[in-house]
Amino acid sequence: GESVGLHLPTLSVQEGDNSIINCAYSNSASDYFIWYKQESGKGPQFIIDIRSNMDKRQGQRVTVLLNKTVKHLSLQIAATQPGDSAVYFCAEKYEKLTFGTGTRLTIIP
Amino acid sequence: DVKVTQSSRYLVKRTGEKVFLECVQDMDHENMFWYRQDPGLGLRLIYFSYDVKMKEKGDIPEGYSVSREKKERFSLILESASTNQTSMYLCASSGPGIGTGSEQYFGPGTRLTVT
Repeated sequence: GESVGLHLPTLSVQEGDNSIINCAYSNSASDYFIWYKQESGKGPQFIIDIRSNMDKRQGQRVTVLLNKTVKHLSLQIAATQPGDSAVYFCAEKYEKLTFGTGTRLTIIP
Repeated sequence: DVKVTQSSRYLVKRTGEKVFLECVQDMDHENMFWYRQDPGLGLRLIYFSYDVKMKEKGDIPEGYSVSREKKERFSLILESASTNQTSMYLCASSGPGIGTGSEQYFGPGTRLTVT
């Protein structure tokens, strides 16, 4: 089976509740950030991005918040559904993309 | 929709074999990438290419080579596979702009096991 995420932090959320997934990035000069979702057995899928001149961006059921002061990025998923179960990871860009290791989100029915 | 396809989902090879992983994208993207993904380590860039016949080393190029003869196709080659190359290999592509920034579209991955 899929071995991605054997040692990942995990987050369990009740179906219908909101999920907040956090990411600490390393480079204060990073100017672009992306959140990806990776379901078991699949490649990463783009969810939402944000540039460093913004602190919030909203998509469909998702919101990304950027706090440059503490180099922190978060992904909020509203009204979590079973299909949201996946590994979520952030990526930061300064000259190149650097990926985090991810958080496994599990939805409790 | 962007589609990135990889030639195999699962592959088992023996130590010392030459291995070819193929990636094709259908969006006329300039940039293509090869990553490996291992538990606890995230995605690590092996090689990338920003144009036909152009290639740049990523963070972990040792033991790998690449080929980009056509814009839509980017191949990863393991000249002599070793057990420490057992991993999930992910191909990605992105639009204009040199470098590895901007949104990347990923293929489904190839899980390679070297025995």
